[in-house]
Amino acid sequence: GENVEQHPSTLSVQEGDSAVIKCTYSDSASNYFPWYKQELGKRPQLIIDIRSNVGEKKDQRIAVTLNKTAKHFSLHITETQPEDSAVYFCAASGYNNNDMRFGAGTRLTVKP
Amino acid sequence: KAGVTQTPRYLIKTRGQQVTLSCSPISGHRSVSWYQQTPGQGLQFLFEYFSETQRNKGNFPGRFSGRQFSNSRSEMNVSTLELGDSALYLCASSPSQETQYFGPGTRLLVL
Repeated sequence: GENVEQHPSTLSVQEGDSAVIKCTYSDSASNYFPWYKQELGKRPQLIIDIRSNVGEKKDQRIAVTLNKTAKHFSLHITETQPEDSAVYFCAASGYNNNDMRFGAGTRLTVKP
Repeated sequence: KAGVTQTPRYLIKTRGQQVTLSCSPISGHRSVSWYQQTPGQGLQFLFEYFSETQRNKGNFPGRFSGRQFSNSRSEMNVSTLELGDSALYLCASSPSQETQYFGPGTRLLVL
């Protein structure tokens, strides 16, 4: 089955700096790659996703890039703000999203 | 539309007991997935149901089971509870082949 690895496990940045989180996946059949943000005590919330037919997607301060050949994808957050502090999870799944596997998570801390 | 709901939100059980958790998906969503979240293991996939059929199952023992009803509501059951089953259990619903939306979770504590 799919195996997703995520790095780093913790990341601390200064407000205004950029943050990058990277994930690799093992199943070349995976074609859907969402990113979730989970604040303390809350449910994971989708922040951006990308499908395998696209190499990059951007939504305001966040962007995701996908390299299918290398089987890795990354989350980029620019101009970080303290409210970006949370745990971020990457995930990968194949057709039908019936087997979504998550990375172990990255705890991002943005220092004011 | 109302979001994904889960009941109960908190539960305390003792070892050896069984527990049933419930998940109501967003109206119109036919797929429901279940995950176990623990500090050490992250989000672990339990199983996914679509139109009352289990389509996929993660690497959990047979003590973990689930089902889905004709109205897409889903339940998961854990029998013979162990201390290590203490976790946040999240369900997520999605329309076919689309993004998953998570419920608030049920926090289970096994004593």
